[in-house]
Amino acid sequence: DGGITQSPKYLFRKEGQNVTLSCEQNLNHDAMYWYRQDPGQGLRLIYYSQIVNDFQKGDIAEGYSVSREKKESFPLTVTSAQKNPTAFYLCASSIDPGQGFRGYGYTFGSGTRLTVV
Amino acid sequence: GENVEQHPSTLSVQEGDSAVIKCTYSDSASNYFPWYKQELGKRPQLIIDIRSNVGEKKDQRIAVTLNKTAKHFSLHITETQPEDSAVYFCAAGRTSGTYKYIFGTGTRLKVLA
Repeated sequence: DGGITQSPKYLFRKEGQNVTLSCEQNLNHDAMYWYRQDPGQGLRLIYYSQIVNDFQKGDIAEGYSVSREKKESFPLTVTSAQKNPTAFYLCASSIDPGQGFRGYGYTFGSGTRLTVV
Repeated sequence: GENVEQHPSTLSVQEGDSAVIKCTYSDSASNYFPWYKQELGKRPQLIIDIRSNVGEKKDQRIAVTLNKTAKHFSLHITETQPEDSAVYFCAAGRTSGTYKYIFGTGTRLKVLA
């Protein structure tokens, strides 16, 4: 499915729960990203990782955590500290432009819709 | 901080007419500008991109123009068709250093048959 897979497609979280969103890619991309999409607000960067075992906070990292133990995987945990987690979450990956720019941009996953119940 | 402004937020055109979406970026070091199309309930898909060493790029009915001095870039869709209806996002980023794009807020394009 485009080389990058997100699961689950729909996720329901109870108040006070931590939930983890999965993102796996088989494109051999070095860089991976998590975005949150809310109506009328476009795509906002939560975390990104340019290399295994390293990641950086984006613009709205509070209440989220990530890990990058493998090149193929970049899971996102939505913690209980995130007060408004209901949103559509998109994972993306890209070739490391530092290795020779190829202009492919991001490849996006199909998204996970998280709802607080 | 870095940001990308995108206008308009919604755009309705008659089938066959042209549509133009404009973006302005703040980071003068940005040198890569992709455009994504997101159909309802689907993932964003890259439709065209441009690097800062060119001023215009065209792919069939879609073209992108870039004015580095003014830090503006635009998406032009000619001969619009109903299947062009979607949300379009612009983005700006660098090809070295920090590999992340800043996205615009999106434009919902409706092509009226």
